[in-house]
Amino acid sequence: IAGITQAPTSQILAAGRRMTLRCTQDMRHNAMYWYRQDLGLGLRLIHYSNTAGTTGKGEVPDGYSVSRANTDDFPLTLASAVPSQTSVYFCASSESREGRSRQFFGPGTRLTVL
Amino acid sequence: AQKVTQAQTEISVVEKEDVTLDCVYETRDTTYYLFWYKQPPSGELVFLIRRNSFDEQNEISGRYSWNFQKSTSSFNFTITASQVVDSAVYFCALSFPWANNLFFGTGTRLTVIP
Repeated sequence: IAGITQAPTSQILAAGRRMTLRCTQDMRHNAMYWYRQDLGLGLRLIHYSNTAGTTGKGEVPDGYSVSRANTDDFPLTLASAVPSQTSVYFCASSESREGRSRQFFGPGTRLTVL
Repeated sequence: AQKVTQAQTEISVVEKEDVTLDCVYETRDTTYYLFWYKQPPSGELVFLIRRNSFDEQNEISGRYSWNFQKSTSSFNFTITASQVVDSAVYFCALSFPWANNLFFGTGTRLTVIP
């Protein structure tokens, strides 16, 4: 593994189902992030974690939850998926939470909720 | 409030032409960071450059150059002698020492026609 991996690559999900998107980094970065990318809106932050054991809400957190049990993993859970959560989801990490830290991005997960 | 505007939604150029991608930002903070990321068709975001608000020196990296002007709140990106491999969506982003995330523009899709 080099960098950030995300799984699955893509998923089609029925509305109302629960889904967890996985994210793992091997850079020992302290901070991790989940963004969603929607056409015409760019990337928007869903949740973040400044360090293992802590999480925070971003710009669009409703309907999503995260956990950060260790440094490497930062799963994103949709408790009950809705069609408006159809999007491409990117996990990212940075060495620190400082705004100047460069963020490294995973390959993304394309999620379709029907 | 902080905001990044990329007014050019899509640009098409013929190979070997020069092209400039515009980025205008809004903030009242005096310390901030500006980024450019490239998203090729494969989907992963690739870091290109970071500038801090105290460094207005322009930067050149091969065929890429960046023009940072605080007077006009702009951080424009120029590709010289464009190539087909430059075809991608390019995002400008803004961050701050206090921020937990990047504030992205909506992106500019560049198509380089052979």
